Amino acid sequence: GENVEQHPSTLSVQEGDSAVIKCTYSDSASNYFPWYKQELGKGPQLIIDIRSNVGEKKDQRIAVTLNKTAKHFSLHITETQPEDSAVYFCAASSYGGATNKLIFGTGTLLAVQP
Amino acid sequence: DTEVTQTPKHLVMGMTNKKSLKCEQHMGHRAMYWYKQKAKKPPELMFVYSYEKLSINESVPSRFSPECPNSSLLNLHLHALQPEDSALYLCASSLRSAGEKLFFGSGTQLSVL
Repeated sequence: GENVEQHPSTLSVQEGDSAVIKCTYSDSASNYFPWYKQELGKGPQLIIDIRSNVGEKKDQRIAVTLNKTAKHFSLHITETQPEDSAVYFCAASSYGGATNKLIFGTGTLLAVQP
Repeated sequence: DTEVTQTPKHLVMGMTNKKSLKCEQHMGHRAMYWYKQKAKKPPELMFVYSYEKLSINESVPSRFSPECPNSSLLNLHLHALQPEDSALYLCASSLRSAGEKLFFGSGTQLSVL
């Protein structure tokens, strides 16, 4: 089955700096890669996703890149703000497959220091 | 309405109690999920309902019993739980299948004494 590794487990940056979180997946059949942000006491919230037919997607200060050959994808946050502080989870699944299960990475605790 | 609503937000129960967690969405989604999340860990899939039918059961103990009365509602019935079952229980929904955007509720924080 699919296995998703995520690094780093914790990341501390200064406000205004960029933050990068990296994930690798094992199943070459995976073709859908979302990123979730989870704030304390809340459920995960989808912030951006990418499908395997594109290599990069951007939404304001957030971007995701995908390298299918290497089986890794990354989340880039630019101009970080204190409200970006949260736990971020990457995930992978096989869109349209017979057993569509979203497999989560282990999470990254991002702390943005003002 | 883009919300998944879960009740209650907090629940404390003894090991002999029977309780139910409830989840509701009005986005027209036809797939609904229960996840369990321990502190500082990722969500773990428990059950998936697709078009009101149970499609995935991740070998969850029978003391957890899911129910999908209609396309908008999802319940999780709890009975004879163990202290190690204490966790955040998250409900989620998606348009059709797990390969699509998943919308999560805020969860029920469950403590089993």
